Amino acid sequence: DAGVTQSPTHLIKTRGQHVTLRCSPISGHKSVSWYQQVLGQGPQFIFQYYEKEERGRGNFPDRFSARQFPNYSSELNVNALLLGDSALYLCASSLGGGQGRQPQHFGDGTRLSIL
Amino acid sequence: EDQVTQSPEALRLQEGESSSLNCSYTVSGLRGLFWYRQDPGKGPEFLFTLYSAGEEKEKERLKATLTKKESFLHITAPKPEDSATYLCAVREDDYKLSFGAGTTVTVRA
Repeated sequence: DAGVTQSPTHLIKTRGQHVTLRCSPISGHKSVSWYQQVLGQGPQFIFQYYEKEERGRGNFPDRFSARQFPNYSSELNVNALLLGDSALYLCASSLGGGQGRQPQHFGDGTRLSIL
Repeated sequence: EDQVTQSPEALRLQEGESSSLNCSYTVSGLRGLFWYRQDPGKGPEFLFTLYSAGEEKEKERLKATLTKKESFLHITAPKPEDSATYLCAVREDDYKLSFGAGTTVTVRA
C-alpha cells in the first residue's frame, strides 16, 4: 500500500518568492497535517485539515496557508519566503480528526532551501 | 515552555549494549504519547502509541513504557540498523502533536 506521498522532494527558492507543496494521504485517511522541521529539532505543527476544513493552526504567520481537496490531498502555500523558512516540510495523514489512538503517518517531506 | 523534553540528545552504543531513552512531558491532559523513528533524509516512522500510565508496548528490540510524567524507550541488544533519531510526541488536544527534539542513537558494530 502506498504511504503518504509528497512533492516535490527538493525545492530551491529565493527570498520573497512563493511556494506550493503537495501531499497525498494514505488511501482512506481523511485528515492531513503539516509540520515544519528545522535541522536538529523535532517537527513543529503548522496546520491540520479534516474533511476539507481547518481544524487547527500552529504558531506560524499568515504567510503560511493550506487547503484540502475533495480527494483529501492537500497543499501548503508559503508567501514572501524568508531565509528562516528553509526546512523540511512534512505531511502526515491519519484516519480521522485526530481523536482517539490514531497515529499520524508521515511522508518523507519536501526539503525547501531559501537563497 | 517546552512541553516535551527528550534526553540524552545523543547516545552512542556498542552493538548489544542495551540502554534507555527518556521523554518527559508537562501537558495537563495527555491524550496519547507517540514514539517515532526518523532516519536521515526521511520522515518519521510510527513505532508506538501509549495512553495510560503503566502501559507497555514492544516491537522487536524496542520497548516503550509510560508513567504519569515520562516515557522510556528501551533498546535491548541493539544492532547497527537501530541507529536513527527517536522522536517522542504528545497529543493534548484533537489535532496536533507536540514533538521533542529527539535522541540520536548510533550503534557501532
